[in-house]
Amino acid sequence: EVQLQESGPGLVKPSQSLSLTCSVTGYSITSNYWGWIRKFPGNKMEWMGYISYSGSTSYNPSLKSRISITRDTSKNQFFLQLNSVTTEDTATYYCARDGTYYYVGVMDAWGQGASVTVSS
Amino acid sequence: DIQMTQSPSFLSASVGDRVTINCKASQNINKYLDWYQQKHGEAPKLLIYNTNNLQTGIPSRFSGSGSGTDYTLTISSLQPEDVATYFCLQHSSRPYTFGAGTKLELK
Repeated sequence: EVQLQESGPGLVKPSQSLSLTCSVTGYSITSNYWGWIRKFPGNKMEWMGYISYSGSTSYNPSLKSRISITRDTSKNQFFLQLNSVTTEDTATYYCARDGTYYYVGVMDAWGQGASVTVSS
Repeated sequence: DIQMTQSPSFLSASVGDRVTINCKASQNINKYLDWYQQKHGEAPKLLIYNTNNLQTGIPSRFSGSGSGTDYTLTISSLQPEDVATYFCLQHSSRPYTFGAGTKLELK
């Protein structure tokens, strides 16, 4: 059974970078797509982007200048970096397996979420 | 970006009730519409993918329908464990976009 777990700092200062790790067990990240999604206070959700089985990436254009998703296949982990954060980046960040049933966008396994607050 | 308008935002129903939640897309999304359930403090769970395909392990009281711009999630007979927030997601085109969510409570 695939399991995903987010980890990283829960507090980030404005203008700094937010960095999160998603550790995947039970499935190789060299298959499928692996995405990041966030849920803001008030429950609005935003798809941030993904990294594919081959290492190619796709990002939400609203974040494109600030976001980077990378991976370490030897550790079966993938990473989110979001630069120049503001208080509006305060959210719960989820990682998820994408590409279920060969449909990119169908996300059948999610982590529990990592709460990140941006504050000085 | 494709805008997803989800309704209602809040729903109170009794055990055994038939419940429907709707999502309307700002353009045709060709049935690339999924439904998720999220209970408090838990990860989102995929219920339905591509409009009407039940995810493995999901009870058959959940079903989905729709086409074009209009989609519906139906719970045929509400159970206490269905109390959760439900949201739709379109993956017809990137960026994927979500509905605002429906909070379902027991009356």
